Amino acid sequence: AQSVAQPEDQVNVAEGNPLTVKCTYSVSGNPYLFWYVQYPNRGLQFLLKYITGDNLVKGSYGFEAEFNKSQTSFHLKKPSALVSDSALYFCSTDSWGKFQFGAGTQVVVTP
Amino acid sequence: DTGVSQNPRHKITKRGQNVTFRCDPISEHNRLYWYRQTLGQGPEFLTYFQNEAQLEKSRLLSDRFSAERPKGSFSTLEIQRTEQGDSAMYLCASSLKDRGRSGANVLTFGAGSRLTVL
Repeated sequence: AQSVAQPEDQVNVAEGNPLTVKCTYSVSGNPYLFWYVQYPNRGLQFLLKYITGDNLVKGSYGFEAEFNKSQTSFHLKKPSALVSDSALYFCSTDSWGKFQFGAGTQVVVTP
Repeated sequence: DTGVSQNPRHKITKRGQNVTFRCDPISEHNRLYWYRQTLGQGPEFLTYFQNEAQLEKSRLLSDRFSAERPKGSFSTLEIQRTEQGDSAMYLCASSLKDRGRSGANVLTFGAGSRLTVL
């Protein structure tokens, strides 16, 4: 079965510092990988996706993600975090038309 | 386009009652998904439709749950004889499955319908 895992429940970072949110995947064949963000009382919002091609994918709000096939990882990164980046982040994979999500990582950015 | 709309936003009910949630997807989207999310967990797949056809339903889903998308537009999710364990956020999402491309559909989510079963 296709799945993703997010090993960290919470990530704390100071504003202005680099932010990394980890995701590993278990997918047969070529993986389709996504990152979504959820703000309180809001639905999930798409950030970026990896389908094929360049291993570094750029997305919304200054986020990017690096696909690493040898480590089966798809970590989300932002060079300089903002307080407004505090939210719940989900990694996801397209599993034969339906999508599987990780448990989520709460990001807390402190001023 | 106002995005994906879900109603009601919050439903409080007593154990044993039936509840129904409605989802209005983005009009040109042919796929519609239902997920359930509990606190501290990621969205859990329930079922999805392509147009009016229900393509898959989670094997973990009780027979008390049923979903329809009769005209390929809006969808309803009904839970019969609710239990306290059904308390969760029910999320709807839609996407456009382009026949010319393989997978990789981006989901647009609604704000969710929160169910509280007393």
